[in-house]
Amino acid sequence: DAGVIQSPRHEVTEMGQEVTLRCKPISGHNSLFWYRQTMMRGLELLIYFNNNVPIDDSGMPEDRFSAKMPNASFSTLKIQPSEPRDSAVYFCASETGSGNTIYFGEGSWLTVV
Amino acid sequence: AQTVTQSQPEMSVQEAETVTLSCTYDTSESDYYLFWYKQPPSRQMILVIRQEAYKQQNATENRFSVNFQKAAKSFSLKISDSQLGDAAMYFCAYTGGMAGTYKYIFGTGTRLKVLA
Repeated sequence: DAGVIQSPRHEVTEMGQEVTLRCKPISGHNSLFWYRQTMMRGLELLIYFNNNVPIDDSGMPEDRFSAKMPNASFSTLKIQPSEPRDSAVYFCASETGSGNTIYFGEGSWLTVV
Repeated sequence: AQTVTQSQPEMSVQEAETVTLSCTYDTSESDYYLFWYKQPPSRQMILVIRQEAYKQQNATENRFSVNFQKAAKSFSLKISDSQLGDAAMYFCAYTGGMAGTYKYIFGTGTRLKVLA
């Protein structure tokens, strides 16, 4: 089975532009997670879904960030408008929903200039 | 709230030697899971080992083993016969709760250097 698939792998954008990151979880996994990794703050949980429903979005930094999961095989994380401090690696991960191993995508490297 | 603490920002080990990475956590739940993940320079997050809290036996995976002390809320990772390919960031992680609400919390990581 394919792993968690993220796109784009790398994105460079100008401040103020909208950024959309995409994720396809592993088939059969009911939980999906979005993490952000920076040198300063480490690996932060932004939001997670179970059965396509957001369970906890307390990690979303501010209103500029939004996430959706319209179906079991697709999720997006959107930043609008983007700022230089949003530069980070954004990881999507999925898991069965039962406390099993969480599997990560390869990450989306975002640079906002 | 659950927390995971890794107090060693960086560790070094000589090739073929043994090193132990520390992790402590805080939780009020009785049933939970603990993990160690490895992140090489490629940034890929790779599972190293998983421990179920209700199991008293320490998990082992080849050269990797854990020392799980539930009462002390400690979960250390021992790497035996260290190899150059073991050099990476290592993250300790916790999850617990009810099915469908598992929230995976990660520590700040320990950078492991392996010296030839």
